[in-house]
Amino acid sequence: EVQLVESGGGLVQPGGSLKLSCEVSGFIFSSYWMSWVRQAPGKGFEWVATIKQDGSEKNYVDSVRGRFTISRDNAKNSMYLQMDSLRAEDTAVYYCTRRPPGSWYFEYWGRGILVTVSS
Amino acid sequence: EIVLTQSPGTLSLSPGERATLSCRASQSVSSSYLAWYQQKPGQAPRLLIYGASSRATGIPDRFSGSGSGTDFALTISRLEPEDFAVYYCQQYGRSPPTFGPGTKVDIK
Repeated sequence: EVQLVESGGGLVQPGGSLKLSCEVSGFIFSSYWMSWVRQAPGKGFEWVATIKQDGSEKNYVDSVRGRFTISRDNAKNSMYLQMDSLRAEDTAVYYCTRRPPGSWYFEYWGRGILVTVSS
Repeated sequence: EIVLTQSPGTLSLSPGERATLSCRASQSVSSSYLAWYQQKPGQAPRLLIYGASSRATGIPDRFSGSGSGTDFALTISRLEPEDFAVYYCQQYGRSPPTFGPGTKVDIK
C-alpha cells in the first residue's frame, strides 16, 4: 500500500524557517518524481515544487522560488521542503504527492501537514 | 498560467441523482491533460480521473470524465452517500500545473 506521511509543520513567525519532511512506503521511491502541493485555509490547491527521481531537476512556483528548497534522500525514502523567509500567505496545509512517470498530475497524496505563519 | 473555473460552486442533490460538474480553462489544455480529484473534510485528496476521461485505480465506474480543449466535465451517474464532497479539476498540459477552485456536492 502506498503511504506518504508528512511531518514538521507548526506555527512560525513571519520571516522564520521551517523544514517539512515526507516519508514514503509501499513503492520504489527512487523511481518517481515527487511534489509538494499546498492548500491555504478555505482555498483551492497550489502546486509548490517538484523534484526529479535523482534530485537533479527541481521546479518551483514563482511565489516560493528563492525562498523554498525541495530535496530528497532516496536512501531514507524521504522528501523535504526547506521553507525560509516565510510569509503569512504561506499559511496552508502542505501535501506530499507522487507524480506518475511522464505526467504532471498527482496520483497519491499524504494527509497533509499544517504550516501557520503568524506573529 | 492557465486559469481553471469550476461551476457550479455548490451542487445540492439527493442520493441516486446524477451530478454533472463543469471545468473551464482559460486556454486550451493540450492533449486533454486534465485530472479530477475528490476531497472530503480532513482527508487527503483522491485522484478520480486523469487524461480527461481515464479512471484512476479503484475508482467506481459511476464516475466519468469527458471533454477537450477548454471545456471538461465530471459526471457521477448515481450519487452514493460517500460521494458528497468537494471536487477539483487540475490541468497539467502547461506549466505550472493549476487547479480549479472546486465544486461542493452536498446533500439536498
